[in-house]
Amino acid sequence: KAGVTQTPRYLIKTRGQQVTLSCSPISGHRSVSWYQQTPGQGLQFLFEYFSETQRNKGNFPGRFSGRQFSNSRSEMNVSTLELGDSALYLCASTIGRGNTEAFFGQGTRLTVV
Amino acid sequence: QKEVEQNSGPLSVPEGAIASLNCTYSDRGSQSFFWYRQYSGKSPELIMSIYSNGDKEDGRFTAQLNKASQYVSLLIRDSQPSDSATYLCAGYTGGFKTIFGAGTRLFVKA
Repeated sequence: KAGVTQTPRYLIKTRGQQVTLSCSPISGHRSVSWYQQTPGQGLQFLFEYFSETQRNKGNFPGRFSGRQFSNSRSEMNVSTLELGDSALYLCASTIGRGNTEAFFGQGTRLTVV
Repeated sequence: QKEVEQNSGPLSVPEGAIASLNCTYSDRGSQSFFWYRQYSGKSPELIMSIYSNGDKEDGRFTAQLNKASQYVSLLIRDSQPSDSATYLCAGYTGGFKTIFGAGTRLFVKA
């Protein structure tokens, strides 16, 4: 059974650019959550999607957005990148039917220069 | 105020000893709790889930939950050097959101 797949694994972007990250959940999982992980802040919740609907959002600026497609794949977008956006971005999937065990992808390491 | 608190460590234990990792949470409505292990440069891996008061054992791991004290712990028996990692405590608060602690670094000395 395939796990959670995130692409790309590594990205280097310049300040002011935008970036799109992709996440394919475990087959049958309908809920996808995104997290930002930095050494100083730990794992910070970005947003959660289920059946193409955002059900919750963390305390991040509007430059951070996401969406989910009908096949449960999800993307997150960060516009007007800042140096402080450099982080490991993690996607986690859950079945979404009351089962809250989350399984993480390998993450996308974003470096903003 | 952080919603899930962990001692950042590092916690150092000799090989074969019991490692005890602790976590407190502030939201009394939290329903489910999880322990993740994260090796350096890797993503978090779910190792234990616990939903009701008491102990839950899985191999060398025992999770303990005390909702009255808002306290969650993870015991690792017969610690091995391969257990050296950062352990993340997480709580599902409802509202489709799981909150993570900052993690405790564990070192198991051979």
